[in-house]
Amino acid sequence: DAMVIQNPRYQVTQFGKPVTLSCSQTLNHNVMYWYQQKSSQAPKLLFHYYDKDFNNEADTPDNFQSRRPNTSFCFLDIRSPGLGDAAMYLCATSGETYEQYFGPGTRLTVT
Amino acid sequence: EDKVVQSPLSLVVHEGDTVTLNCSYEVTNFRSLLWYKQEKKAPTFLFMLTSSGIEKKSGRLSSILDKKELFSILNITATQTGDSAVYLCAASNFGNEKLTFGTGTRLTIIP
Repeated sequence: DAMVIQNPRYQVTQFGKPVTLSCSQTLNHNVMYWYQQKSSQAPKLLFHYYDKDFNNEADTPDNFQSRRPNTSFCFLDIRSPGLGDAAMYLCATSGETYEQYFGPGTRLTVT
Repeated sequence: EDKVVQSPLSLVVHEGDTVTLNCSYEVTNFRSLLWYKQEKKAPTFLFMLTSSGIEKKSGRLSSILDKKELFSILNITATQTGDSAVYLCAASNFGNEKLTFGTGTRLTIIP
């Protein structure tokens, strides 16, 4: 089945220790998104790629970086996680109709 | 600034009741309105609405858009405990690939 896959599903990292979250898709969608979602809040867009064009939200902290080496994969790097970065990180994709399809998410815990 | 407002913020009903969830939006160059269901994981896509007055239906769920009054409703009939979730509304606009999310309505169905 075509889908959006995120790994790992759960990630525990130490304060200040870099972490990378991954997302892959078999939908062949040209747009990929990274969202941060904290408890009882709406998803907050961090970045998105339209093909290889990177779009950073103005309020995304510099601590967050992203890479999209090819159409299928996208990575979220958190260079120095703080306690406030503990959240669910959602990857989504969209194609020509702009419906966004979400992966299962990675729940990040920072100790 | 684009804005999406959902009401009520939370709703508790008994199994078998019918519920209506509301979503209003103020979005520049509006393209479409999307509904998602989020349980304890990533949002799952329900509907995308682009035209006024045309109801979309999937089982017990239905939704309609009013582009003149800038709102949408999501109806769930004969509710079941499995309908308990946060329902997110999001709007997209022409010119970019992003969604503006509302904060969601938390629906709880009591057996």
